[in-house]
Amino acid sequence: GDSVTQMEGPVTLSEEACLTINCTYTATGYPSLFWYVQYPGEGLQLLLKATKADDKGSNKGFEATYRKETTSFHLEKGSVQVSDSAVYFCALSLRSNDYKLSFGAGTTVTVRA
Amino acid sequence: NAGVTQTPKFQVLKTGQSMTLQCAQDMNHNSMYWYRQDPGMGLRLIYYSASEGTTDKGEVPNGYNVSRLNKREFSLRLESAAPSQTSVYFCATAGDTDTQYFGPGTRLTVL
Repeated sequence: GDSVTQMEGPVTLSEEACLTINCTYTATGYPSLFWYVQYPGEGLQLLLKATKADDKGSNKGFEATYRKETTSFHLEKGSVQVSDSAVYFCALSLRSNDYKLSFGAGTTVTVRA
Repeated sequence: NAGVTQTPKFQVLKTGQSMTLQCAQDMNHNSMYWYRQDPGMGLRLIYYSASEGTTDKGEVPNGYNVSRLNKREFSLRLESAAPSQTSVYFCATAGDTDTQYFGPGTRLTVL
């Protein structure tokens, strides 16, 4: 079945450090790929997405590139802030599967001042 | 616009009690979803509704029922709550694109 595997956390960083969260997927067909973010006590918000190979999604300084050859969608940010402390989820969906989302387990990121 | 709203925000039940979680959206979306979030497991789909009048099982439907009351509302019912259903429940909606929009969640504890 369709699945997402993402880097286990927790991850603790200092402000202005670089962040990379690895995400790989298994899917039949050509999925859309997403990163969702969950700030403490809140629901999930879409951070960025990519719908086809080589697309790059970007938002709030975060980027991820849809790599079909390596079935990956790694999340990167060059300089994190304390406000980036959150749980990050990688996910995929397929139109053929009613756009149901399959999520990774989530990675907790804490940024220290 | 409120987007996706969920009630209640918090609930404590005793084993065997029943309750209904409510979800409403003002985004005019056709599809609605119920997920549960458990530590280390991400979110798992319980049930979904691709359009008004239809519902389908997701990955973990046992112990739950749903009702798509109209286009705006999608409720999740626990008929006889069990401690294993202690979780955070999220409702989500999607329109004609592949992006889902989430509500703020309901934190449920079953004693």
